[in-house]
Formats: sequence, structure tokens, C-alpha cells
Amino acid sequence: NAGVTQTPKFRVLKTGQSMTLLCAQDMNHEYMYWYRQDPGMGLRLIHYSVGEGTTAKGEVPDGYNVSRLKKQNFLLGLESAAPSQTSVYFCASRGPGDTGELFFGEGSRLTVL
Amino acid sequence: GQSLEQPSEVTAVEGAIVQINCTYQTSGFYGLSWYQQHDGGAPTFLSYNALDGLEETGRFSSFLSRSDSYGYLLLQELQMKDSASYFCAVRDALGGGNKLTFGTGTQLKVEL
Repeated sequence: NAGVTQTPKFRVLKTGQSMTLLCAQDMNHEYMYWYRQDPGMGLRLIHYSVGEGTTAKGEVPDGYNVSRLKKQNFLLGLESAAPSQTSVYFCASRGPGDTGELFFGEGSRLTVL
Repeated sequence: GQSLEQPSEVTAVEGAIVQINCTYQTSGFYGLSWYQQHDGGAPTFLSYNALDGLEETGRFSSFLSRSDSYGYLLLQELQMKDSASYFCAVRDALGGGNKLTFGTGTQLKVEL
């Protein structure tokens, strides 16, 4: 029972490079989220999706793009990485109904030099 | 917009009871969640309150007062393994109740 899986788990980029983080969930959840976590700042929402083919901006969307072409996958892209994007990225999914329960992946640690 | 406030750090002794408070401001409110995160790990869900009152799950309880925009997490019979960061998160009306905004977290240290 995999739950939410993120790849890659670690990555080092140079400024200006691009990359994509992949999130996959096997729980048939409609809602998926990308957060970043920096020391002392908690979890900040980057983008989220309420279903296949939909995306919406969160608190800190600048410099990121997302796509939800398949229900089980939510991709986070950095077109031109900057050192300010050095962070730990968490993907999460949520099931239906009146619930505040998010299921998180193990995180992807990104360093931009 | 939304904002949440919680203490940055709390220290307690093993076996004691500790309460972590969370106050929030939001334009529309669906519910308040609590999460636990051990160093470097994935946050894990503890509880969710949509209505006023106390929810109990084992040693952990969570309380909500919608009129006061306030909630707390109560941890009883503290154990060393409870040392972690605890986050409150608001599910608010923006985005149709699908956005969850997190506080900055409370680091709990349990001492012998």
C-alpha cells in the first residue's frame, strides 16, 4: 500500500536549470497539493488540484508550474531554478467529504546552487 | 487572507500534559486540523475538528471554538517519542474548502 510517492527524493540543481517533481497517489483521491517547507516557516501551499485537468494557485506559486493530466499524478515543474527555491517539497492528497486529512509523501529535498 | 498563530516552542516532562494553542483568522472556515512531524519526515494527520467541542483519539485530544477562532491540541501522558513539531491547519472557504493553510508549527520537546 504505497499511498503517496514522490520522486526524486533528493536533487541538486544549478541556477537556471529546470526539473520536474512527480507525485503519484494510489488512493483514487481527487484533491492533490504541493507544499514547500523552509525552516521556521511551516508548510506553504504552492499549487493544488481539485481533480484531473484542474490546477489552482496557492500562497507561493511564482516560479512553479503544475499539471494534473492523470488523476493519480500531480507534477511540479521549475522552469528556471533559483537558490530561493532550495527547500523540501511535500506532495499530499485528500479524499472526499468533509475532511481535513491530508496524506503526505516523504518529501523531495531540492538544493539549487 | 488567512493567518494562524501558534507558539514556536513548548517544553514539558515525560508523563505530563501539554496544550498547544492555535488561533486563526480566515475569511471563511470549514475546519481545523492537527499534524505531527518528526525531524525531516512527512507530516502525519492527528485530528480534524469541523464543529465546536472536543475530539479525543487515545492520548491526543483536539478542541475547537469557532466563535473564538481558536483551537488546541492536548497531549496527555507525554512520551519521549512525542518530541516533534505540531502544526495546526485551517481548511477555509477560499477554493471551495479545498485549500489547507498551515501554521508555522510548534516544536515540542519532551524531557525526562
